[in-house]
Amino acid sequence: DADVTQTPRNRITKTGKRIMLECSQTKGHDRMYWYRQDPGLGLRLIYYSFDVKDINKGEISDGYSVSRQAQAKFSLSLESAIPNQTALYFCATSDPRVSGTGELFFGEGSRLTVL
Amino acid sequence: KNQVEQSPQSLIILEGKNCTLQCNYTVSPFSNLRWYKQDTGRGPVSLTIMTFSENTKSNGRYTATLDADTKQSSLHITASQLSDSASYICVVSAGTGGFKTIFGAGTRLFVKA
Repeated sequence: DADVTQTPRNRITKTGKRIMLECSQTKGHDRMYWYRQDPGLGLRLIYYSFDVKDINKGEISDGYSVSRQAQAKFSLSLESAIPNQTALYFCATSDPRVSGTGELFFGEGSRLTVL
Repeated sequence: KNQVEQSPQSLIILEGKNCTLQCNYTVSPFSNLRWYKQDTGRGPVSLTIMTFSENTKSNGRYTATLDADTKQSSLHITASQLSDSASYICVVSAGTGGFKTIFGAGTRLFVKA
């Protein structure tokens, strides 16, 4: 079983719909992240959380919200999806106590298409 | 502005050949540099990490180099295999503790039989 699990893996939706992407992890890491990947661009950080009570905006948080329901669960919501939010979304975890340098462990990705 | 630029954008090589991927960065203060491999439809997986004091690191057939003076890194793949076909992403972390991470756009490598 994957250490970082994302659901759904693929989703097609229409403009204006609310979408939730879920992430759960069994690595026991405190830090969790949501990234977005677009063709020809590097991964960009949407939101991150260092523990259950900590939520921080990344560089492209507009149009997104997150919820850290537990140490192991971090969900990303699009309140009203728009076509330019079509992308591949990755959840990641890290624990600097383990690697000392913040190695990121990624899920398999959620491909979202907004029509 | 913190940036990570990778070249080439894509590369096609024959199985068994060697190749070198390049990464130039303008990130300050530098903390560490990682190379990740991303197979199609999968999440990135870390291959190597180098801190400021390290100038080479190997992981099997993958060897990464770092020149902190010129702010350049390379990833050399020896005796390529079909399974090496993937995107290779250079990631530079900045700041104390290396929290802020900047991703390159990646190099797409195709290994042909």
